[in-house]
Amino acid sequence: ETGVTQTPRHLVMGMTNKKSLKCEQHLGHNAMYWYKQSAKKPLELMFVYSLEERVENNSVPSRFSPECPNSSHLFLHLHTLQPEDSALYLCASSQGQGRYEQYFGPGTRLTVT
Amino acid sequence: DQQVKQNSPSLSVQEGRISILNCDYTNSMFDYFLWYKKYPAEGPTFLISISSIKDKNEDGRFTVFLNKSAKHLSLHIVPSQPGDSAVYFCAAISNSGYALNFGKGTSLLVTP
Repeated sequence: ETGVTQTPRHLVMGMTNKKSLKCEQHLGHNAMYWYKQSAKKPLELMFVYSLEERVENNSVPSRFSPECPNSSHLFLHLHTLQPEDSALYLCASSQGQGRYEQYFGPGTRLTVT
Repeated sequence: DQQVKQNSPSLSVQEGRISILNCDYTNSMFDYFLWYKKYPAEGPTFLISISSIKDKNEDGRFTVFLNKSAKHLSLHIVPSQPGDSAVYFCAAISNSGYALNFGKGTSLLVTP
């Protein structure tokens, strides 16, 4: 495997379900990100982890809970989501903060029913 | 308030011609700018970047121009090819930041 991988690619869940999104990077990077892309909106940063520590949390509701067990893996735990949370969730990684390119995974298309 | 704007949602160009995609930003703290390309059902792919100390960066058919005084950058693709048809996102970041600030994207269609 190369680059940034995400599973699952598609997820349909009810409002009372609990599910997790998984991201893995094979680039040796130190920082990992969760972004959300809703229809007709730009990508929005949700969380940033640097060296496995959360360094940024952009006022994301607590029904989204990130976890970074090591520098290669990132999870987004989901529970009691709302239909408006339906979106494309993208994971990215980079060597560090600032002037480094971020490399994205293919995303998880989430539908909340 | 959106700090990176791509005011053209779509652009259609004939194969072989030049494609010019534009981007404006408002935050003067941004000092690194990137272009990403996105195909349907895939994540954005990094294309080219430019630091604020430069006004031009070239990589094959792709050239990015930066006009700091106007807070404007553009991506030139020449010659355009049908495989370039995708959504192009402009992004900006400050040296101390983590968050890439994205525009809404411009959908480019290159017709044969």
